[in-house]
Amino acid sequence: GNSVTQMEGPVTLSEEAFLTINCTYTATGYPSLFWYVQYPGEGLQLLLKATKADDKGSNKGFEATYRKETTSFHLEKGSVQVSDSAVYFCARSPNTGNQFYFGTGTSLTVIP
Amino acid sequence: ETGVTQSPTHLIKTRGQQVTLRCSSQSGHNTVSWYQQALGQGPQFIFQYYREEENGRGNFPPRFSGLQFPNYSSELNVNALELDDSALYLCASSIGLAGVIGELFFGEGSRLTVL
Repeated sequence: GNSVTQMEGPVTLSEEAFLTINCTYTATGYPSLFWYVQYPGEGLQLLLKATKADDKGSNKGFEATYRKETTSFHLEKGSVQVSDSAVYFCARSPNTGNQFYFGTGTSLTVIP
Repeated sequence: ETGVTQSPTHLIKTRGQQVTLRCSSQSGHNTVSWYQQALGQGPQFIFQYYREEENGRGNFPPRFSGLQFPNYSSELNVNALELDDSALYLCASSIGLAGVIGELFFGEGSRLTVL
């Protein structure tokens, strides 16, 4: 099948803590992988992406590495800030057709 | 560069009514996709429009329909509204068909509440 599974939330961390949000995918072939972020009351914004195996996407201190052998794309940040509080969605592109597949989202709250 | 804009931002309808949601794609983008995001869920693909024609459809009934105009803007129409149609409707634009390396640029969404 074609799906994306991500760690269920909600996740609550103290400021400057280390963050990991797990994401695994199923696909035939080698899709591109994405992390989108949704701040309260807003649409989705692209956070980072990787287009092939072993690529590392990074942005705003967040990183994720495309692992073909484990079909994973885990999101990490070394030191979270209060402003990182949002819902994070893992997604994969279509191999054929047009449908992007999204995980169910992981809500992150960072407390001072 | 103008981003993706959607209207209205919020609306309330009653069961059985019809609704039209509108989307202007990002400058230079010729493809528009619509997604439904139910509360606490990830976005689900409704359909995509490219060159004014539907180009792929997700698991949604025919009462969900759409249009794309020559300027690449798009409408999503939902007839015979049901309570379960309450959701955030997201429009996303992209350059060409959203292929392997394409990415989606989202608007802020239209939040529909069906009573």
